[in-house]
Amino acid sequence: GAVVSQHPSWVICKSGTSVKIECRSLDFQATTMFWYRQFPKQSLMLMATSNEGSKATYEQGVEKDKFLINHASLTLSTLTVTSAHPEDSSFYICSAATGSNQPQHFGDGTRLSIL
Amino acid sequence: AQTVTQSQPEMSVQEAETVTLSCTYDTSESNYYLFWYKQPPSRQMILVIRQEAYKQQNATENRFSVNFQKAAKSFSLKISDSQLGDTAMYFCAFRNAGNNRKLIWGLGTSLAVNP
Repeated sequence: GAVVSQHPSWVICKSGTSVKIECRSLDFQATTMFWYRQFPKQSLMLMATSNEGSKATYEQGVEKDKFLINHASLTLSTLTVTSAHPEDSSFYICSAATGSNQPQHFGDGTRLSIL
Repeated sequence: AQTVTQSQPEMSVQEAETVTLSCTYDTSESNYYLFWYKQPPSRQMILVIRQEAYKQQNATENRFSVNFQKAAKSFSLKISDSQLGDTAMYFCAFRNAGNNRKLIWGLGTSLAVNP
């Protein structure tokens, strides 16, 4: 149980393209999902907390107009990197928890490369 | 503010041996959760073990166990009978109890299990 699916796993696109990443909880409902960014050989950096039916809460320094988050249902959250540029290239990971006192379970991540 | 410190950037161990990864944290809260996550080269984040602060008994999961010292704010991970598949980055993480599910992450320890 507690499977989180993230898609796509790898995307390469041209500068200026907008890229959408999906995060789905397959066998549980997640009122809260989290979006992280990870640079090589570094820890996870929380970008935003995604709440079902409401606006996401962004961490300081994360541009909300650049990284659009939608959490339209209890099983799906999406992160859209708008007008992506090479500096947005990174590994993006989502996570979700089954309940308020349960650990986060992670998707397999998305490797984003902007040319 | 809560912080998590992993003082060992890199470690290595021989196959079948035992290794201990250290983690210390700082908080003024009395109730919280602690986690160890594993990130192999595939970059999937895998929950290894969790500990609830109000439980005195150390958590164990097969070959993985923790030494939780609440007064010292220490949460080390012991891996017994190390296997080649244990080679990965290991992250220690902290979360307050309650509705705020945000994880505070350590910088990670890169563990290499040598044949």
